[in-house]
Amino acid sequence: AQSVSQHNHHVILSEAASLELGCNYSYGGTVNLFWYVQYPGQHLQLLLKYFSGDPLVKGIKGFEAEFIKSKFSFNLRKPSVQWSDTAEYFCAVNAASTSGTYKYIFGTGTRLKVLA
Amino acid sequence: EAGVAQSPRYKIIEKRQSVAFWCNPISGHATLYWYQQILGQGPKLLIQFQNNGVVDDSQLPKDRFSAERLKGVDSTLKIQPAKLEDSAVYLCASSSDLTASTDTQYFGPGTRLTVL
Repeated sequence: AQSVSQHNHHVILSEAASLELGCNYSYGGTVNLFWYVQYPGQHLQLLLKYFSGDPLVKGIKGFEAEFIKSKFSFNLRKPSVQWSDTAEYFCAVNAASTSGTYKYIFGTGTRLKVLA
Repeated sequence: EAGVAQSPRYKIIEKRQSVAFWCNPISGHATLYWYQQILGQGPKLLIQFQNNGVVDDSQLPKDRFSAERLKGVDSTLKIQPAKLEDSAVYLCASSSDLTASTDTQYFGPGTRLTVL
């Protein structure tokens, strides 16, 4: 069965530290990859997505992610975090099901706390 | 542009009671999703509609959950009867693309259900 793994459940960083959140998926076919973020008290919103082309994708607020097909990974990075990046981050995969429709599968999320 | 609206925001019921949630997607969005997010887990897709047709309901517990999207706009999700393990946040999301493969999902604020 398709699955998405986020290995870091809780991450605490100081401001200006670099961030990398891991995301691995299990699916052998074509996938579309997403990172969603939920800031405290706000809705889930898209951070960035990849479906083709350059495997290094840039998103909002200085975030980027790299798709490495051979490793089934789509890790999220930011060179220097800010206090306002405190949020929960979800990796998601959208892959074709046996019926031909596309199904979203979300990871369990990573809670990031940035200390001022 | 108005976002995805959901109501109620909070609901507390006793087990074996019934409950209904309402979602109004972004105007013009063809695809609507209902997710269940249990504390500490990522969103799990329950059902996906394209216009008023069901695309995927493979993870919907059909013995107690039902959903409809009349006229391809608003949607309701019902649980009858509720169990303790149904305590979760129920998220509604919509996207504009009929293929729903690469399109961004826009999430509502969710309904937090507590079953006692």
